[in-house]
Amino acid sequence: GAGVSQSPRYKVAKRGQDVALRCDPISGHVSLFWYQQALGQGPEFLTYFQNEAQLDKSGLPSDRFFAERPEGSVSTLKIQRTQQEDSAVYLCASSLRPTGGTSNTIYFGEGSWLTVV
Amino acid sequence: KQEVTQIPAALSVPEGENLVLNCSFTDSAIYNLQWFRQDPGKGLTSLLLIQSSQREQTSGRLNASLDKSSGRSTLYIAASQPGDSATYLCAVNSGTGKLIFGQGTTLQVKP
Repeated sequence: GAGVSQSPRYKVAKRGQDVALRCDPISGHVSLFWYQQALGQGPEFLTYFQNEAQLDKSGLPSDRFFAERPEGSVSTLKIQRTQQEDSAVYLCASSLRPTGGTSNTIYFGEGSWLTVV
Repeated sequence: KQEVTQIPAALSVPEGENLVLNCSFTDSAIYNLQWFRQDPGKGLTSLLLIQSSQREQTSGRLNASLDKSSGRSTLYIAASQPGDSATYLCAVNSGTGKLIFGQGTTLQVKP
């Protein structure tokens, strides 16, 4: 597709439920990022993939959060045993080249809005 | 640890005014800085990307400047329009790839 696509757009989960959020990056993009954005805040980094390799997962808040990109294209962010503090928008982003390039524009999807009740 | 701050948090101006949004960062060792726009319920749209070696970038009515030594960037919007109403976020890339974002400035342009 033309842009980064995320699904579902909206998800209401009961506390303790597991959720899976999907990201389809722009075709051919090497880098893929997940960010978490709480209401009224800027996005915060969760994890980074270069192709299928997860090179940085330093932002994942707990071991309940897991991300994968097995074939270097589509990525899934999984949250186990959801808690109320997990309520946020989860943004996926991709860029053409590996990180560190000085002209590496990053393109964001519209996000998956997760509410844990 | 890199920290990014945006001032003001919110801004309301009448249509037609020129305005400046401010972004400051604590560590001057950056690869680039990017300004984004976020509309309610939407993702982020990249507006301008300034390389660490550049001083400014322009796109239409938008001009972004970068002063690495002082840890500051500004986004200048000329002749503001109601359609410019949105949240503006600046983000710093320190070379690891992950972006460090400010909290954003929410702009309202009144007709």
